[in-house]
Amino acid sequence: DAGVTQSPTHLIKTRGQQVTLRCSPKSGHDTVSWYQQALGQGPQFIFQYYEEEERQRGNFPDRFSGHQFPNYSSELNVNALLLGDSALYLCASSFSPHSNQPQHFGDGTRLSIL
Amino acid sequence: AQTVTQSQPEMSVQEAETVTLSCTYDTSESDYYLFWYKQPPSRQMILVIRQEAYKQQNATENRFSVNFQKAAKSFSLKISDSQLGDAAMYFCAYRSGRTYKYIFGTGTRLKVLA
Repeated sequence: DAGVTQSPTHLIKTRGQQVTLRCSPKSGHDTVSWYQQALGQGPQFIFQYYEEEERQRGNFPDRFSGHQFPNYSSELNVNALLLGDSALYLCASSFSPHSNQPQHFGDGTRLSIL
Repeated sequence: AQTVTQSQPEMSVQEAETVTLSCTYDTSESDYYLFWYKQPPSRQMILVIRQEAYKQQNATENRFSVNFQKAAKSFSLKISDSQLGDAAMYFCAYRSGRTYKYIFGTGTRLKVLA
């Protein structure tokens, strides 16, 4: 039973560039949430996707956008990268946004901005 | 807005001893869930234990147990018979029963001394 998988594991970009991160949810899960975890901090909620729509959003600018595909996988896109976007980006999946079951997390993508 | 506070940036415990990690939260909601997640250097967030706010009984999972004080808005994690593999960052998390958003604390780094 495959868990949550994220790609790539590590990415280096320069300021102003654009990046796309990918996530495949755990088998049986249909809801994907994205988090940004800065060094030494807890994860901060970016947004959640369910039924191919953004359902919830945290306090992040419009430079952060996403997509969910019919197979429930998801992408996180960040435009006009800033140095402050350097962080670990975590994807978490669950069975529906309303489930009482906890989220399962992937290993994350480490994004470094030069 | 809900907040989660972990006031202990770092804790140490001798192998086989017991340690308690603190967490307080603030909310005006009555329906919510609380979690403790473990994040080892491998980066993946692993669920340790969960507590439903409507349950008075403290959750227990093997060597891990919580002390849930709803009126005080406190949710501490006790690890008994600490093992070297318990060394990790521990995050306390709150999930709203209304919005289903997760809010994480800043984490406590646990060191286990042999």
